[in-house]
Amino acid sequence: DIVMTQSPDSLAVSLGERATINCKSSQSVLYSSNNKNYLAWYQQKLGQPPKLLIYWASTRESGVPDRFSGSGSGTDFTLSISSLQAEDVAVYYCQQYFGTPQSFGQGTKVEIK
Amino acid sequence: QLQLQESGPGLVKPSETLSLTCTVSGGSISDSNYYWGWIRQAPGKGLEWIGSIFYTGSTYYNPSLKSRVTISVDTSKEQFSLKLSSVTAADTAVYYCATILRFCSGGECEVGWFDPWGQGTLVTVSS
Repeated sequence: DIVMTQSPDSLAVSLGERATINCKSSQSVLYSSNNKNYLAWYQQKLGQPPKLLIYWASTRESGVPDRFSGSGSGTDFTLSISSLQAEDVAVYYCQQYFGTPQSFGQGTKVEIK
Repeated sequence: QLQLQESGPGLVKPSETLSLTCTVSGGSISDSNYYWGWIRQAPGKGLEWIGSIFYTGSTYYNPSLKSRVTISVDTSKEQFSLKLSSVTAADTAVYYCATILRFCSGGECEVGWFDPWGQGTLVTVSS
């Protein structure tokens, strides 16, 4: 099974500042035949289901603000929020869909400093 | 636009079977572009994929739960269902159903990300 590990577990960032969340997979999720990373990011606000933000590690879902960006390849990935807004307070999860079972990171809680 | 809604009992006794149904609207459960899945989240915890199904009835289960899980589909009702047997307190969680993108290339098909999700339903295992 592929284990996803996020860091940090939580972070507090001032409004307008950058937030960076890391995600590491226990094995590569890069498929060599199509050069795609099978990695997604989700945002979960309190009392709500997760919402897809990014897939293929860096493709933003339609309607997601461009302050959200994803990067990385192979085993190391990053979700960045360029200028944190109050509505971005949430728990963020990475997820790999390279192997079965699909697996999620443990989540990173983002708060306002 | 696809929408999913979970339904089922919110309280299940230990050792009994948890049964939930997900109703799909805004699209067809027989759409070959999608799988349909169940994910759960224990209180204050992370997300765990339980299993998925294709409209033909092909199923894929998390090995950690496989011995207790059955997922089925009823295309006439645009629904798919989850049964989890021999439940314990550790199965207390919010259960979500979700759409999983299916993409095919060169005759091989793969699973993608989960989107959209249902609102989730809390199932408590307690006597």
